[in-house]
Amino acid sequence: QKEVEQDPGPLSVPEGAIVSLNCTYSNSAFQYFMWYRQYSRKGPELLMYTYSSGNKEDGRFTAQVDKSSKYISLFIRDSQPSDSATYLCAMSAKGGGSNYKLTFGKGTLLTVNP
Amino acid sequence: KAGVTQTPRYLIKTRGQQVTLSCSPISGHRSVSWYQQTPGQGLQFLFEYFSETQRNKGNFPGRFSGRQFSNSRSEMNVSTLELGDSALYLCASSLLPIESSPLHFGNGTRLTVT
Repeated sequence: QKEVEQDPGPLSVPEGAIVSLNCTYSNSAFQYFMWYRQYSRKGPELLMYTYSSGNKEDGRFTAQVDKSSKYISLFIRDSQPSDSATYLCAMSAKGGGSNYKLTFGKGTLLTVNP
Repeated sequence: KAGVTQTPRYLIKTRGQQVTLSCSPISGHRSVSWYQQTPGQGLQFLFEYFSETQRNKGNFPGRFSGRQFSNSRSEMNVSTLELGDSALYLCASSLLPIESSPLHFGNGTRLTVT
């Protein structure tokens, strides 16, 4: 089983739809959870950064973390064509000293059609 | 505030050559980390430098190396290039060590090895 699994898509939705992007993980030590958006020919851009279980909202974006199920989600409300990009989940765990783990999902390609 | 700057944006090299990539972090950020992104493997961690010291290294051969200067700028070097090294190389900076701080990515250097 891979440490982080993300549905690669591609996902195509009409403008205004609610989008749900998901990642599952197997390492219970992961503590920090992130979502990045990457446009073509650009670097990833941080969208959401969460530490605890529960929901975090920022505008049209809501990040959800369920540590008991080892499952994280990103919801996009009222999706826009400008949301068309690849979305990457990432998670990290601290170890002792300088030991840590940072792992990315492989990304989900989203297209929002006008 | 200026973002993370990576140079050059594009690079074409032949097998056996070596290459040096440069990264200027956001002012005040002490951590610089490097990643390789390919369609097949996704985003993979190469190494992190914090205050000029390498804190951690991913699972890459010794041909991949890096360093960080006193002004936090960082360089990554790949020696004896192989065709499989063709990828987008991303640099990210963060205020704190990467396992507990959001990452700010540059737009990457696209390396093609022929």
